[in-house]
Amino acid sequence: DAKTTQPNSMESNEEEPVHLPCNHSTISGTDYIHWYRQLPSQGPEYVIHGLTSNVNNRMASLAIAEDRKSSTLILHRATLRDAAVYYCIPRQTGGTSYGKLTFGQGTILTVHP
Amino acid sequence: NAGVMQNPRHLVRRRGQEARLRCSPVKGHSHVYWYRQLPEEGLKFMVYLQKENIIDESGMPKERFSAEFPKEGPSILRIQQVVRGDSAAYFCASSLGQGNNQPQHFGDGTRLSIL
Repeated sequence: DAKTTQPNSMESNEEEPVHLPCNHSTISGTDYIHWYRQLPSQGPEYVIHGLTSNVNNRMASLAIAEDRKSSTLILHRATLRDAAVYYCIPRQTGGTSYGKLTFGQGTILTVHP
Repeated sequence: NAGVMQNPRHLVRRRGQEARLRCSPVKGHSHVYWYRQLPEEGLKFMVYLQKENIIDESGMPKERFSAEFPKEGPSILRIQQVVRGDSAAYFCASSLGQGNNQPQHFGDGTRLSIL
């Protein structure tokens, strides 16, 4: 599995944009980059994923560097409900462990009213 | 659309008893995954099943733990002769397909407490 590096914690104010970075310099060419988040006392929640191009959905945007060694999850307007631990997870293709998600320590996002 | 349903939400067992955790995947999903989150630790993969088959059990403890996903009915994670160290939150996820571009959808977990 590709190793990831994320900040331990970040803070934001409500209604402001948040950019959550992730370094995954050992990613291989066919690994998709997935983002999940876990709110307190809940299961993880899928946020977004991408391969090479930037991606948008109703929850967030994902900006992937041209060399794919890093990516940034963008929450356009943070709300209190976005306070969670955010995980960046490269997912490999093939091999025997393609099914599992390998969670790192993630980034704890605090949103201030 | 119902998401992944896990039950019970909370389970209390005494040391030496058996714990059975159930997971009903999203309707139409045939891939199920179990993860464990020990207190103050991160989420760890346990096992990946696809209808009646275990695909990857590399994260399962070698003893006392087993998982199944029968043709009919929910997936079951079974822990025999529980010990205090089994106290954790157990999460189930499901996906529609097996590719690395397939999102996994999680339930809200079963919190297992061992007395």
